[in-house]
Amino acid sequence: AQSVSQHNHHVILSEAASLELGCNYSYGGTVNLFWYVQYPGQHLQLLLKYFSGDPLVKGIKGFEAEFIKSKFSFNLRKPSVQWSDTAEYFCAVNANSWGKLQFGAGTQVVVTP
Amino acid sequence: EPEVTQTPSHQVTQMGQEVILRCVPISNHLYFYWYRQILGQKVEFLVSFYNNEISEKSEIFDDQFSVERPDGSNFTLKIRSTKLEDSAMYFCASSSTGSTEAFFGQGTRLTVV
Repeated sequence: AQSVSQHNHHVILSEAASLELGCNYSYGGTVNLFWYVQYPGQHLQLLLKYFSGDPLVKGIKGFEAEFIKSKFSFNLRKPSVQWSDTAEYFCAVNANSWGKLQFGAGTQVVVTP
Repeated sequence: EPEVTQTPSHQVTQMGQEVILRCVPISNHLYFYWYRQILGQKVEFLVSFYNNEISEKSEIFDDQFSVERPDGSNFTLKIRSTKLEDSAMYFCASSSTGSTEAFFGQGTRLTVV
């Protein structure tokens, strides 16, 4: 079955630490890949996306992600987190032209001062 | 910045009652979606809507659910006879095409008692 897996459900780290969140998907064929973030009490916001081209994509707020096709992965990274990065992070995959997104379970990230 | 708006933010309803959740997508978008997130679970796709008809729906979206775009600006989700297990956060989203990023609303928290 098609699925999206996020490896960590809960991550706690200190300010200035580096962050990497794993995402793997099981779709064959062409996919569009997304990372969304949900800050406490707010709506889902797009962090970054990959459609084609350079597999290393840069998003807002210093986040980046690397698409590795051979590993079916799209891991999210940030070299130095801030307290304001405390949020839930969702990986999502679109594999058809109707726009349907399949989400991972989400990773709750808590950054301590 | 254009945004997707949802009303109400919180709805409490008795089991068996009908509810209508309302959304105003971004004005030049053509694709509309509903997702839901049961507390502690992943964001799940319900339905996508394009050109005034459902383009795709999940197995969750059974006969109890319907969607409508009644007036060219609103996009509604109706649940005919609510069940306790319908309690969830419901997110509306829209996109300009089926292959671009979706913009999400703030969500409606539906509580069925």
